[in-house]
Amino acid sequence: DIVMTQTPLSSPVTLGQPASISCRSSQSLVHSDGNTYLSWLQQRPGQPPRLLIYKISNRFSGVPDRFSGSGAGTDFTLRISRVEAEDVGVYYCMQTTETSRSFGQGTKLEIK
Amino acid sequence: EVQLLESGGGLVQPGGSLRLSCAASGFTFSNYVMNWVRQAPGKGLEWVSTVGGGRDTYYADSVKGRFTISRDNSKGTLYLQMNRLRAEDTAVYYCAKDVVGLLAPDCWGQGTLVTVSS
Repeated sequence: DIVMTQTPLSSPVTLGQPASISCRSSQSLVHSDGNTYLSWLQQRPGQPPRLLIYKISNRFSGVPDRFSGSGAGTDFTLRISRVEAEDVGVYYCMQTTETSRSFGQGTKLEIK
Repeated sequence: EVQLLESGGGLVQPGGSLRLSCAASGFTFSNYVMNWVRQAPGKGLEWVSTVGGGRDTYYADSVKGRFTISRDNSKGTLYLQMNRLRAEDTAVYYCAKDVVGLLAPDCWGQGTLVTVSS
C-alpha cells in the first residue's frame, strides 16, 4: 500500500501571507494510463472534506485561484498564495492511483 | 443539487454488526464510483472502501473480510455492511462520490457516527 506523508503537520500563518504544504508518496503515483491521481482536500472545522485540487494541479470548480498544486512522481505541494481567515482547517493529500486509496495525515492550517 | 445522506450509525457492542446507508440524489448514481471514508474522533481521514460502476470493490486492509460495500443503483443507495466491529472502528463514516473519470471525491455527505463500545 502507498503511504502518504505530509509536512508540516501544523502550519501557523499570518493572514495575507503564503502557505505551503508538502506531500510525499512512498512510491510513484503515475498511473498506467499516464495520469497522476493526486488530490488535495480541505476540511474546515465541523465540516466534511471538500475537494480543492485533482490530478496534481487542477483546481476543482469554485475553488479560489489562490490555491495551486504542483509536483510529480512522489513529491507534491499545495500552495496558498495569500491566506484568508476562511482557509483555516486541515488539509489532506490523497492518492487514488492505486485501487487501495490513501490519505496523508493532514496538515492543520491556523492563523497566527 | 447533488446530495449524499448517510444513515444507520449508532452505538454497537464489540463484535456486533451495523449497516450504513448513503442515499444519493441529484445525479445519475449508477454512473459514479462511490466511496466510504471514516474519521476517528480527533483524527485524520481514513479510506475504507470503494465500489466502481461495474460493482468492482476495494477495501482497506483494516476492514477487509469484515466490511462489505454494495450499491443498489435502482434505489440510488450505497451501503456498508460492517461485521465483527471493534473499538477502533469508532468513527464518523462519510460516503463520497468521485468525479467521473478523475478518481477524485468531489461530493461528500455529512457523515454518520458509529460508536463501538460495551
